[in-house]
Amino acid sequence: NAGVTQTPKFQVLKTGQSMTLQCAQDMNHEYMSWYRQDPGMGLRLIHYSVGAGITDQGEVPNGYNVSRSTTEDFPLRLLSAAPSQTSVYFCASSYSGTSGDTQYFGPGTRLTVL
Amino acid sequence: AQSVTQLDSQVPVFEEAPVELRCNYSSSVSVYLFWYVQYPNQGLQLLLKYLSGSTLVESINGFEAEFNKSQTSFHLRKPSVHISDTAEYFCAVSEGSSGDKLTFGTGTRLAVRP
Repeated sequence: NAGVTQTPKFQVLKTGQSMTLQCAQDMNHEYMSWYRQDPGMGLRLIHYSVGAGITDQGEVPNGYNVSRSTTEDFPLRLLSAAPSQTSVYFCASSYSGTSGDTQYFGPGTRLTVL
Repeated sequence: AQSVTQLDSQVPVFEEAPVELRCNYSSSVSVYLFWYVQYPNQGLQLLLKYLSGSTLVESINGFEAEFNKSQTSFHLRKPSVHISDTAEYFCAVSEGSSGDKLTFGTGTRLAVRP
């Protein structure tokens, strides 16, 4: 199993540009989520999905969209990038989404918005 | 709402010395507690977790953590650290009603010196 994969690993955008961060998992996990990691702030939940066709907002959803058309994929879209979105983004998945499940993290995407 | 406090942003320690990384949480309901580790330029991986039962949980590489409900703490300990333990450690909590949504602390960087 490849686990959780994320592309790209690095990205530089200009303010106002849009892009999609890709996330895929091959473990047949129902639950997937996106976090951003900023220095001194830990990880904060952006959006999550408990299964195909179902998404919900986390702690910091503004400026981001998600969709979940398949169990495997959970892309994160930045509609109009802002410098405040400069961060490291992690995708994670877990088996069923019930409390206590271990979450498996991807390697991250480092995004810089100029 | 749940929250996690990791008071120490950095903990320097000499190799083979003991270490304790502190974690306190705030929640009005029963919780599940986790420690995740992030090695340089990698994603997070689960170190250990407390779901129920014995309040002392152990990892395969010598770390242990004890759930203390009265003090709302879940401190991480290791009796003798190695250079390879150098990493950032995140404490996280999820509530029974919130599924797999994790709330992370701000992280503690463990720096092991020879």
